Amino acid sequence: GNSVTQMEGPVTLSEEAFLTINCTYTATGYPSLFWYVQYPGEGLQLLLKATKADDKGSNKGFEATYRKETTSFHLEKGSVQVSDSAVYFCALNTYGGATNKLIFGTGTLLAVQP
Amino acid sequence: EPEVTQTPSHQVTQMGQEVILRCVPISNHLYFYWYRQILGQKVEFLVSFYNNEISEKSEIFDDQFSVERPDGSNFTLKIRSTKLEDSAMYFCASDEYNEQFFGPGTRLTVL
Repeated sequence: GNSVTQMEGPVTLSEEAFLTINCTYTATGYPSLFWYVQYPGEGLQLLLKATKADDKGSNKGFEATYRKETTSFHLEKGSVQVSDSAVYFCALNTYGGATNKLIFGTGTLLAVQP
Repeated sequence: EPEVTQTPSHQVTQMGQEVILRCVPISNHLYFYWYRQILGQKVEFLVSFYNNEISEKSEIFDDQFSVERPDGSNFTLKIRSTKLEDSAMYFCASDEYNEQFFGPGTRLTVL
């Protein structure tokens, strides 16, 4: 079935360090891929998305490229800030009838230290 | 900026009691969803709702669960007889053009 696997956390980095959070997926067909972020005490916010192979999603300095050959959608940022501390969820979107349900990974906690 | 709202933020109930979790989706959205996240686990899809009916539901969404859009703004999730294992964070979402917007969640604690 469809699934998402992402690296376990927590990931602890110093400010201005390079960030990679790995995400791989298993899906039938051609899913869309997403990264959501959850700041403490808040809901899930869409960070970026990619809808087809080789697309690159980007937002707020974060990037992820839809790699069909490796079934991956790794999240990267060149220089993290303390304000990036949050839980990051990789997700894919499956189409079934009239629904666009999301299938999520387990989430990766990122802690950025000053 | 429009947002999805959920009430209450935290609900504590006794096992066997009924609970209703409320959501107000973004006003011009047509697709609505409920997800849940048991502490330390994945966010899991429960149900999707379109055109006043369920369009898809997961195995978790058994006869104890129901959803309703009682008026033009609210979208509710009812659990008829809560179990300890229903303790989780419940997220509502609404969808436009393949982008889901999530509410802040309701933390349900079943004692």
